[in-house]
Order: sequence, then structure tokens, then C-alpha cells
Amino acid sequence: DSGVTQTPKHLITATGQRVTLRCSPRSGDLSVYWYQQSLDQGLQFLIQYYNGEERAKGNILERFSAQQFPDLHSELNLSSLELGDSALYFCASSVGSGSPYNEQFFGPGTRLTVL
Amino acid sequence: QQQVKQSPQSLIVQKGGISIINCAYENTAFDYFPWYQQFPGKGPALLIAIRPDVSEKKEGRFTISFNKSAKQFSLHIMDSQPGDSATYFCAAINDYKLSFGAGTTVTVRA
Repeated sequence: DSGVTQTPKHLITATGQRVTLRCSPRSGDLSVYWYQQSLDQGLQFLIQYYNGEERAKGNILERFSAQQFPDLHSELNLSSLELGDSALYFCASSVGSGSPYNEQFFGPGTRLTVL
Repeated sequence: QQQVKQSPQSLIVQKGGISIINCAYENTAFDYFPWYQQFPGKGPALLIAIRPDVSEKKEGRFTISFNKSAKQFSLHIMDSQPGDSATYFCAAINDYKLSFGAGTTVTVRA
């Protein structure tokens, strides 16, 4: 158990809908990262937050947005969902100043199915 | 497109054998190269990592070999055990962003 929690475990929704995925980092970790894992794209970095501020952005679609709250939990919002958004979404957290060399601890993931 | 190319896609090894996974990259700005291990239904977990100024790093049965001039690195799993059966991802970091390889599914036969 990495100490990173993600809810919900599974989510089934329809095209065009909007969903919110939630992540609680390990106690003391200030950085939160979001990743998407799909069969065709593999594991892709989406976005990083450090202590409430956006630190780095990867291949995140404009329909997706994230934020990190004062209690350091993070939410990933996915809107106007398409079939191709079906994937596993992982959250990871790391300690310290947000250096990319700090070990990232991954949560168990949220499996999103868009029908 | 994948910034880190990983091969093979899958491999089967007998218990006690050696598993070798290879990765290559083009972006010379990458400055840290971690390997992750992922079991079914779990998130990836850091296994071992190397900086480009080091040619080899060993932790237990796991060894990374790094060839900076060829822009290639590999993971060797010595004395493979059934518990090593998992998917392994190489990765590279630049500017706070982790780029992953496509993954290699390793199956260790008892």
C-alpha cells in the first residue's frame, strides 16, 4: 500500500458527461501528479501540482482540468467525455520541494469506462 | 509519440533465469531514468533509478546498465523468481515530466 488513495475505484459513465476523480496524497507529500494509462497510449503524464500550484503540464486535453486544494488533496475533472477517454487514471504523490527526482508513489487508480 | 522506446513487449523466462529489457531515447535533455514495476490491479512502483553520469546501478537482483553515447539503457533481472512476474516500465524525466516506455510484461515460469 503506497499511502495514496484514489476514489472512486471504478466509474462508468456515458459520452458527453463530466466526472471528477479524487486523490489524497501520502501524509506530508506536497506534490500530486496525474497519469492516464490506456492500451493504445500507454502511461502518459497529464499534470503536476505542488502545494496548490500547477508545476508541470503534459499531454492533458483542454477538456480535462485539475486542482489541488489547501488540504493537498487533488481532483481531476474530465468533461465532454468521449469513448477514447476510457482508461485507468493514476494519481501519484511525492515529498519535498517538488523535485522530479523525488520518488513518486502511485495510488491504485480509478478505472473510467465511457459508454 | 513515445519518447522512450521499450522492447520487448513481453518475455517469458524460467525461474532462475535472466530477464533483460531494453529502452532507447532521443531527447538528450532527459536527466534521470527510473524503472517502474506494476502488478495487475496496482499502480506502478519505483524499482530502481539511474542518473546519466553513472553506467551501472545494482540493487539486489536488479541492475540498470546505461549507455549515454548510444542513448540506451536496460534492466537486468537476475535469478528471476515467479514473484517478479509483472509489467516493467522504463521512464525518463525532463523538466518535471516523466515519459514512460510502452511496458514489458515479464512472466517467470516455475
